[in-house]
Amino acid sequence: NAGVMQNPRHLVRRRGQEARLRCSPMKGHSHVYWYRQLPEEGLKFMVYLQKENIIDESGMPKERFSAEFPKEGPSILRIQQVVRGDSAAYFCASSNTDRGTEAFFGQGTRLTVV
Amino acid sequence: AQSVTQLGSHVSVSEGALVLLRCNYSSSVPPYLFWYVQYPNQGLQLLLKYTSAATLVKGINGFEAEFKKSETSFHLTKPSAHMSDAAEYFCAVIGSGNTGKLIFGQGTTLQVKP
Repeated sequence: NAGVMQNPRHLVRRRGQEARLRCSPMKGHSHVYWYRQLPEEGLKFMVYLQKENIIDESGMPKERFSAEFPKEGPSILRIQQVVRGDSAAYFCASSNTDRGTEAFFGQGTRLTVV
Repeated sequence: AQSVTQLGSHVSVSEGALVLLRCNYSSSVPPYLFWYVQYPNQGLQLLLKYTSAATLVKGINGFEAEFKKSETSFHLTKPSAHMSDAAEYFCAVIGSGNTGKLIFGQGTTLQVKP
């Protein structure tokens, strides 16, 4: 009964490279949320996806960031041309509903841009 | 729009003392409220949630919180702190838009002194 799996746990990228963060939701969950935690700050909502659809991307930066949740496979958060300000912990949560009351979090991916 | 404010970014208590972490919310609709705990380099673990049932909510590890509409508060308490309670605690509310996204407070770091 695996929980929400995120990989890698730690990711180091040089400025200008691409970062790909993966999130495998809990079995039976078709709703995925991505959050970002900047140093010394709380978590900020980025994007909400259901299988093959982006439902709410109101928290996504307008450029360089994209997310997908394909029919098969994990959800991917992609950051192109990373900058130092992208260094943060990125958390994924999954749920079996769109109500958010039953969401479970992964352990996060800590991205460091050097 | 929904929001939460956590009063006090750092709280220090002695082992065995009462733990009180404060959270006030703002919501245009009856809120769903949550407390999460985050241990160093870990993901978020749900402590408890209020979903419009009983106003006194009991959670894991001996924590509880009381929903007070008149005070727009949802403070987290524990009668007797343990060393293992040292962590960061986040209050959260379901955001607007019926997508289940969570709006988090800035977090409170709890230190427990021997």
